[in-house]
Amino acid sequence: KQEVTQIPAALSVPEGENLVLNCSFTDSAIYNLQWFRQDPGKGLTSLLLIQSSQREQTSGRLNASLDKSSGRSTLYIAASQPGDSATYLCAVRVYSGGGADGLTFGKGTHLIIQP
Amino acid sequence: DTAVSQTPKYLVTQMGNDKSIKCEQNLGHDTMYWYKQDSKKFLKIMFSYNNKELIINETVPNRFSPKSPDKAHLNLHINSLELGDSAVYFCASSYKRGTGNTEAFFGQGTRLTVV
Repeated sequence: KQEVTQIPAALSVPEGENLVLNCSFTDSAIYNLQWFRQDPGKGLTSLLLIQSSQREQTSGRLNASLDKSSGRSTLYIAASQPGDSATYLCAVRVYSGGGADGLTFGKGTHLIIQP
Repeated sequence: DTAVSQTPKYLVTQMGNDKSIKCEQNLGHDTMYWYKQDSKKFLKIMFSYNNKELIINETVPNRFSPKSPDKAHLNLHINSLELGDSAVYFCASSYKRGTGNTEAFFGQGTRLTVV
């Protein structure tokens, strides 16, 4: 059964720092991996989607990498800002359910950027 | 325009009652999902529907009954509510694997409190 782990569980850094959030998964047979952010009391906002055949994706100050064989992904945030404060969730889509596969989530990294 | 919308946003009800949560997506996706986020903020899939057909049912009590009148709507009906049902329920949508971009989009969540 697929399990997703995110490290660290919480992180607090000063504004302007570059930082890395880690995600690992136990079964490398994934279809894709998606990073989300969740603000308190809000829904999930999709940040980046990486297909299993891809190595990385970039969007603005965010860069996500995927090493499927080792079961790892990282989310790199450049020049962090207070508005980046949120919980970041990693989720993998596995092959199941006839194509209507669900996502398996990690427990998230709670990020605080200090002004 | 809200891509995935759920109603209501908050729901407070007594034990034993029956309640429904509605979800609609305007993204043209063919697959919709229900996820549950527990008190520890862990997200887990409950159901997936593809073109109105139930695909995934993840060991959810049969008091929970999803219904999909068409591929743009997926409702969740809960009978005989229990204290342990208190959680945030998220609706999501995407394309089925193989039919399009499988990036998943989430609604803002429905916070259910059973008293």
